[in-house]
Amino acid sequence: QPVLTQSSSASASLGSSVKLTCTLSGRLSSYIIAWHQQQPGEAPRYLMNLDRRGSYSKGSGVPDRFSGSSSGADRYLTISNLQSEDEAHYYCETWDNNIWVFGGGTKLTVL
Amino acid sequence: EVQLVESGGGLVKPGGSLRLSCAASGFTFSIYDMTWVRQAPGKGLEWVSSISSTSTYIYYADSGKGRFTISRDNAKNSLYLQMNSLRAEDTAMYYCARGHNDYHINDYWGQGTLVTVSS
Repeated sequence: QPVLTQSSSASASLGSSVKLTCTLSGRLSSYIIAWHQQQPGEAPRYLMNLDRRGSYSKGSGVPDRFSGSSSGADRYLTISNLQSEDEAHYYCETWDNNIWVFGGGTKLTVL
Repeated sequence: EVQLVESGGGLVKPGGSLRLSCAASGFTFSIYDMTWVRQAPGKGLEWVSSISSTSTYIYYADSGKGRFTISRDNAKNSLYLQMNSLRAEDTAMYYCARGHNDYHINDYWGQGTLVTVSS
């Protein structure tokens, strides 16, 4: 069973930057992932896909403030110039052997 | 514009059945894999089931094996989830999602339909 590990919460100040982490278990460390954002009371929204080299491709309409990077088994989502609307849950997703899996999600609070 | 619109949720008693639907528009439905994902109240996202573009490949999470059946009708641009023998722990918002063209991830989501299993 593939595992994606995320911190349960994070916080940062309005206008600052934050880097969220998704760690892939063992043999999944080379896998591509997706980042999704879920604002309160809303459906998830696809942000980007991100590979092990740090190459990413964003979904339609995703602001330039959102970027991705990678290091080993870690996949990062960086949000720059934080806005109040960035306060949300962020989930990573991957696939392995015909099983899709999501990380537990990080709740981002914008102070 | 890609749109996914779920329907069919509601209140059902334990042991009952529901059929969820997802109407797709704004893209060529017949060439994309599709997925159902659920989210229990206050919890994270949980994969439920996926189906390939031509229905050749179908996969289920352990939680729904033997009880849930995913299907699609490409002529109607629609995705379905038949849920039988429902349990209280199946209570969740159910989302349909479109598979990415190149990778085994999902790149568009519907707004969800709420399933409540309670006596």
